[in-house]
Amino acid sequence: AQSVTQLGSHVSVSEGALVLLRCNYSSSVPPYLFWYVQYPNQGLQLLLKYTSAATLVKGINGFEAEFKKSETSFHLTKPSAHMSDAAEYFCAVSTPFGNEKLTFGTGTRLTIIP
Amino acid sequence: KAGVTQTPRYLIKTRGQQVTLSCSPISGHRSVSWYQQTPGQGLQFLFEYFSETQRNKGNFPGRFSGRQFSNSRSEMNVSTLELGDSALYLCASSRQGMATNEKLFFGSGTQLSVL
Repeated sequence: AQSVTQLGSHVSVSEGALVLLRCNYSSSVPPYLFWYVQYPNQGLQLLLKYTSAATLVKGINGFEAEFKKSETSFHLTKPSAHMSDAAEYFCAVSTPFGNEKLTFGTGTRLTIIP
Repeated sequence: KAGVTQTPRYLIKTRGQQVTLSCSPISGHRSVSWYQQTPGQGLQFLFEYFSETQRNKGNFPGRFSGRQFSNSRSEMNVSTLELGDSALYLCASSRQGMATNEKLFFGSGTQLSVL
């Protein structure tokens, strides 16, 4: 069975500082990996996804993530935090075989300090 | 192009009652999946419907059920409500569904409070 673990339910960074949100996955086959963002009172929006092409994936709003098979990680980064990045971020995993559902992590709430 | 629409936005019910939530997907999307979101639990998968057939199901009791109509609109029903059912219920749509690496489009959710 597949799963994801997001380390840190709350992360605070200063405006302009590096954002690093951690995600580790477990999957018996090469996975698809996703990062979604949820702004207050809204549904989720896709930030980026990894589907076995380039290991460094660039997404919207300046975010990127790197797939590291040896570390079973897919951490999300942004070089310089902006106030508008304050939201909840979810890592998710699925597999390209069979009929697996998309499995989400428990989320990380990002707070930006002015 | 209209997004995913969920109605109602808020619901307050009492224990033992039943509730029906509605989700209208983006035009052309045949897959609708449902999630329960609670603080600290993240998103828990309920089920996915594709072309009126339930294609995948999560680990929820039989009190949680759903269906999909020929126009791809989906409803979720919860019977005999319990306090623990209080949550934000999200639906998401896509063209081919979760068996692919497609992007899911989410609605804003229905916030259910059970008193």
